[in-house]
Amino acid sequence: AQTVTQSQPEMSVQEAETVTLSCTYDTSENNYYLFWYKQPPSRQMILVIRQEAYKQQNATENRFSVNFQKAAKSFSLKISDSQLGDTAMYFCAFTLSYNTDKLIFGTGTRLQVFP
Amino acid sequence: DGGITQSPKYLFRKEGQNVTLSCEQNLNHDAMYWYRQDPGQGLRLIYYSQIVNDFQKGDIAEGYSVSREKKESFPLTVTSAQKNPTAFYLCASSIDPGMNGYTFGSGTRLTVV
Repeated sequence: AQTVTQSQPEMSVQEAETVTLSCTYDTSENNYYLFWYKQPPSRQMILVIRQEAYKQQNATENRFSVNFQKAAKSFSLKISDSQLGDTAMYFCAFTLSYNTDKLIFGTGTRLQVFP
Repeated sequence: DGGITQSPKYLFRKEGQNVTLSCEQNLNHDAMYWYRQDPGQGLRLIYYSQIVNDFQKGDIAEGYSVSREKKESFPLTVTSAQKNPTAFYLCASSIDPGMNGYTFGSGTRLTVV
């Protein structure tokens, strides 16, 4: 069975600084997708970034980038130039390429950005 | 604008009563999902549906039921058999989960008293 682990329940960062959120996963499969979702206080889940396991290049979306280490089964999220609006819960998620019926989520990291 | 609408935002029910949570999407997505969110546990899959008139149990289906009579609608009923129904419920849809992930609604907070 696939599992996703986020070992940092809470983190904080100063505005304009950089922060990295950790995520590890466990699977015996070779082809899968990884995602980071943001859940602000409104509780609307928003897709931040996605990564395909067969791509070695790390995904980037503006201030958000990932460090995907397939061998280590690690998928961390780096937020550069943190903004107050980045304050949210962040969830790492995983789905198999051949069975995308289930998106498996980690338990989340609560990020607080301070002015 | 296309999206997913969940209603109501807050719902209160007495213990022992069934309650139905609404989820409607106008994205023309085939697949729809229901997740339950509890503090410290992330999101857990309750039910999902890939096509109309067909649905499958997720990891925590006991005490819940769904229907998919229309592509746009995937209501979730929380029955009296659900032992701990107080939670935040999220509906999602997708046309290609691997490429696009899921699109989520804004959720329903159910409180059973």
